[in-house]
Order: sequence, then C-alpha cells, then structure tokens
Amino acid sequence: DQQVKQNSPSLSVQEGRISILNCDYTNSMFDYFLWYKKYPAEGPTFLISISSIKDKNEDGRFTVFLNKSAKHLSLHIVPSQPGDSAVYFCAAKTGANNLFFGTGTRLTVIP
Amino acid sequence: EAEVAQSPRYKITEKSQAVAFWCDPISGHATLYWYRQILGQGPELLVQFQDESVVDDSQLPKDRFSAERLKGVDSTLKIQPAELGDSAMYLCASSRTANNEKLFFGSGTQLSVL
Repeated sequence: DQQVKQNSPSLSVQEGRISILNCDYTNSMFDYFLWYKKYPAEGPTFLISISSIKDKNEDGRFTVFLNKSAKHLSLHIVPSQPGDSAVYFCAAKTGANNLFFGTGTRLTVIP
Repeated sequence: EAEVAQSPRYKITEKSQAVAFWCDPISGHATLYWYRQILGQGPELLVQFQDESVVDDSQLPKDRFSAERLKGVDSTLKIQPAELGDSAMYLCASSRTANNEKLFFGSGTQLSVL
C-alpha cells in the first residue's frame, strides 16, 4: 500500500517559470514531510522539509506547502533553472519511524 | 562537507552468487538505514540501525538478506543467494538520531543480477 503518492511521473517547465510538484499521502499520522532531489547515479539529497504544524516553509527558490485537510503537499520552484532538472521525491514520516517515499517526479527544465 | 560512503558503486553478479555492500555513515551519526530503490519507484527501507542494534528490519527478506553494524559505525548488507529480482540501487543513509528528520544518503550501489 503506497502511503505517499506522486501521480505525475514527469514534468517539463521552461527556464525562469514556476515548477510545481505535487504529492499526496494517506496516513494522517505523518508529522514531518520532506522533499529530496536525485541526480542520476547519485543518492537523494535533502532539499526542504515541513512539519505538520506548519502550512508553508520557504528556502530561497524553494517553497513547500502543506494542506493537511487534503493530505496534499506541493513543492514550488521559482524561478526554475536547468540545474533543477532531476527526480524529486516526496517523503513522510511519523516520529522516529522510517521515511516513506513517493515514486518520484522527473523534472526537466528547458533552457 | 561529510558524506556517507558506499562501496562498490556498481556490482554485477550472477544469480545464486553472494554479494555484499559496505557503508560508512557520517561520523557521529547513530542511526543508519539501508534502502532499496527499484527503477521507477521510491526508496524502500530494508533495515534501520540505532548504534549496533536493529530497530526495524520488518521489510528485510531475512531468508537471503542480512545486515550488520557490529561496532555501531560502518555497516555491511549481504545477499545470499542473489536473485534476478534483487537488481536495484541499494542506498545507505544516516542521521544524527532516529528522530532527526534529515537523512543523508550515500551515492548507492547499483546491483545487476544476471
């Protein structure tokens, strides 16, 4: 049973425009959410996170929004740059339990 | 910046052979994780260590997989015998504590079983 879902396997965006990556979850006990970025042949690298007590967290060009009632979070990248092209994984956890990852969305930023 | 070290980067083996992967977490990180990522899917936890103790191995196929972290530092994941379906990226990650949300991942070992 996939507790974290990323329904868009791929997304293409023009350089300079906004990229919006979406993630849905089913477990209402999740209290922390993270986004990881993965380049080919490398391990995932942490990008940004948000606690369930917040609805928005911003770090430079990256903003994560959390809608607990809809069990939905999104990652906004503004402006998008070619170097942002990677696979983005949404992940969620409860307390000290392990991370549950989504299946990833491949973002391509077109110069 | 400190990194999680993994070796080898790539491993090709024939089915029924034994394979082993090694991981050295970031110094001072008490919690170590082994994840498996099948192509097109997200990473899935195989085993979680707190120091030298296993705290979660519920998804580890124990008939063929084993993991150890004898001194609470580096760790080895073994598969014996390897099966075709084991072909995947094996990722090691570490965090300062189990409650620390931020996991640091190594570059992984890409296993191909022929």
